[in-house]
Amino acid sequence: DAGVTQSPTHLIKTRGQQVTLRCSPKSGHDTVSWYQQALGQGPQFIFQYYEEEERQRGNFPDRFSGHQFPNYSSELNVNALLLGDSALYLCASSLTGGEAFFGQGTRLTVV
Amino acid sequence: AQSVAQPEDQVNVAEGNPLTVKCTYSVSGNPYLFWYVQYPNRGLQFLLKYITGDNLVKGSYGFEAEFNKSQTSFHLKKPSALVSDSALYFCAVRDISGGSYIPTFGRGTSLIVHP
Repeated sequence: DAGVTQSPTHLIKTRGQQVTLRCSPKSGHDTVSWYQQALGQGPQFIFQYYEEEERQRGNFPDRFSGHQFPNYSSELNVNALLLGDSALYLCASSLTGGEAFFGQGTRLTVV
Repeated sequence: AQSVAQPEDQVNVAEGNPLTVKCTYSVSGNPYLFWYVQYPNRGLQFLLKYITGDNLVKGSYGFEAEFNKSQTSFHLKKPSALVSDSALYFCAVRDISGGSYIPTFGRGTSLIVHP
């Protein structure tokens, strides 16, 4: 049983560009959450998707957007990249209310 | 509102000795509590959770945690530390009655186990 998979594992982008990160949830999970983890910090919640709708959102600007597909996979899009967007982006899947299972993350570097 | 605090940035322990990583929480209602471990450049791995029932929760890799409602704590413990336990540990809390599906994570505690 594959766990949560994220792609790509590493990414380098230039300021002002746009980026799309992808996540496939653990089999049977219907809920996907995205987190940003800066160096030396705990994961910060970006948003959560359930039934293809954004169910809850953290304190992130509108430059951060997402999508969930009918097969429960998800994308995170970030527009107009800033240097401060450099971080490890984590995807977590769960059943509603259950514990989250995390992917290995995508390391985004903005130069 | 829900919040969690991990008062120690780093915990050092000798291999074979018991370890404790501290966590305190704040919620309006009843808490769901979680511990995760993160190895370098990897995602978080679930260790254990407390939802209800027995205050002592057993999890993966020999770890356990004790829920203490009066002290609002959920400390992670292991009777005998291994060098391979060295990693970053995160405590998380979700307020069951707060209407949120999202746990709040602490800043993490770096556990270093010395040979």
